Amino acid sequence: EPEVTQTPSHQVTQMGQEVILRCVPISNHLYFYWYRQILGQKVEFLVSFYNNEISEKSEIFDDQFSVERPDGSNFTLKIRSTKLEDSAMYFCASSEWREGGDTQYFGPGTRLTVL
Amino acid sequence: GESVGLHLPTLSVQEGDNSIINCAYSNSASDYFIWYKQESGKGPQFIIDIRSNMDKRQGQRVTVLLNKTVKHLSLQIAATQPGDSAVYFCAEDNTDKLIFGTGTRLQVFP
Repeated sequence: EPEVTQTPSHQVTQMGQEVILRCVPISNHLYFYWYRQILGQKVEFLVSFYNNEISEKSEIFDDQFSVERPDGSNFTLKIRSTKLEDSAMYFCASSEWREGGDTQYFGPGTRLTVL
Repeated sequence: GESVGLHLPTLSVQEGDNSIINCAYSNSASDYFIWYKQESGKGPQFIIDIRSNMDKRQGQRVTVLLNKTVKHLSLQIAATQPGDSAVYFCAEDNTDKLIFGTGTRLQVFP
């Protein structure tokens, strides 16, 4: 069964450093998402991406964040200058289509620890 | 504002019993809802979904009920097993994003 994959599983970085989180969505999916989950809290939407551009973003997704689909398979989230409060699990998700709502399938997540 | 919330943070059930996890939502315009299961250290795993033109949908050992009148969603798990222990989230599909509830932890004891 196809699944969303994410690398690395755990990333430790110093405050102020740049990190890139990588995702490989399910191959025939067209819509891509990033969510984050601070320890013990609910999953929060960050950004959605379709046709090589951002569809929607939350207020969390400020100028320090960016997303990119550099090739036909990868989808990345970059945090330009990490802050302590960026420590969280980051989940990538993908869906095949959107109209009327479609199931979003999630990857296993990347645990980001900012020191 | 929009919100999706859960009534109980923790639910403890005996193995073999049925479990019912509840969820309230506030956006009456929402027409697609999903239940996810999250095990420790893993990503949300799709369980079952329902659209607003339905009030009940069944899967393997799971049933989702939707009451649009009171904006309430529930997940029923039949014959709960130890492997069902996890945090369960309802999510509301809102255009280009999912809005998750706070989650209910299901604990299954022998």
